[in-house]
Amino acid sequence: GAVVSQHPSRVICKSGTSVKIECRSLDFQATTMFWYRQFPKQSLMLMATSNEGSKATYEQGVEKDKFLINHASLTLSTLTVTSAHPEDSSFYICSARDGQTKYNSPLHFGNGTRLTVT
Amino acid sequence: AQSVTQLDSQVPVFEEAPVELRCNYSSSVSVYLFWYVQYPNQGLQLLLKYLSGSTLVKGINGFEAEFNKSQTSFHLRKPSVHISDTAEYFCAVSDQAAGNKLTFGGGTRVLVKP
Repeated sequence: GAVVSQHPSRVICKSGTSVKIECRSLDFQATTMFWYRQFPKQSLMLMATSNEGSKATYEQGVEKDKFLINHASLTLSTLTVTSAHPEDSSFYICSARDGQTKYNSPLHFGNGTRLTVT
Repeated sequence: AQSVTQLDSQVPVFEEAPVELRCNYSSSVSVYLFWYVQYPNQGLQLLLKYLSGSTLVKGINGFEAEFNKSQTSFHLRKPSVHISDTAEYFCAVSDQAAGNKLTFGGGTRVLVKP
């Protein structure tokens, strides 16, 4: 089955630094990737949609300058949390859709990254 | 705009008992419905999906769900749960009008007791 690898699984950083999270599709080409944020005991909130080779589309209320998304290849998307602050601490999950499947095919999810900003 | 409501935030259930997780959705167009499971500190795993056709959908791990268009529901059921079914369950909807983005419900935490 389709596998999405997300790295790192956990990261602790100091306030003011930047953190990069990688999301790779291992056995398929992901023309579209989605980045979600999940607060403790809450649902997933879509942050942005990234399409290979173009700018990401951010959801309302998400700061594009703080959460930089790059989707430079069909198998890799990255989310960089810039100048992180404690309130950015959260669980970030990426997902990808296989470009060879139908538009309504299920998304494949990474295992998430738990970010803690001290 | 599409939305999903999971009516129960937490469902305690004894091992080998049946469980039903309720999900209602709203959308102005034809929808695609999904149930995902999330184990602690992990991503989401697809349990089952409804795209079209038969309204009774069977998924992995003995789960099934029934799409009811008139009631705009997609409830998830399992006739006999195991301890290993303890997890968070998310109902999600997507439709073409929303660019096929997934909108998730608030989640239901299932706690299976021995």
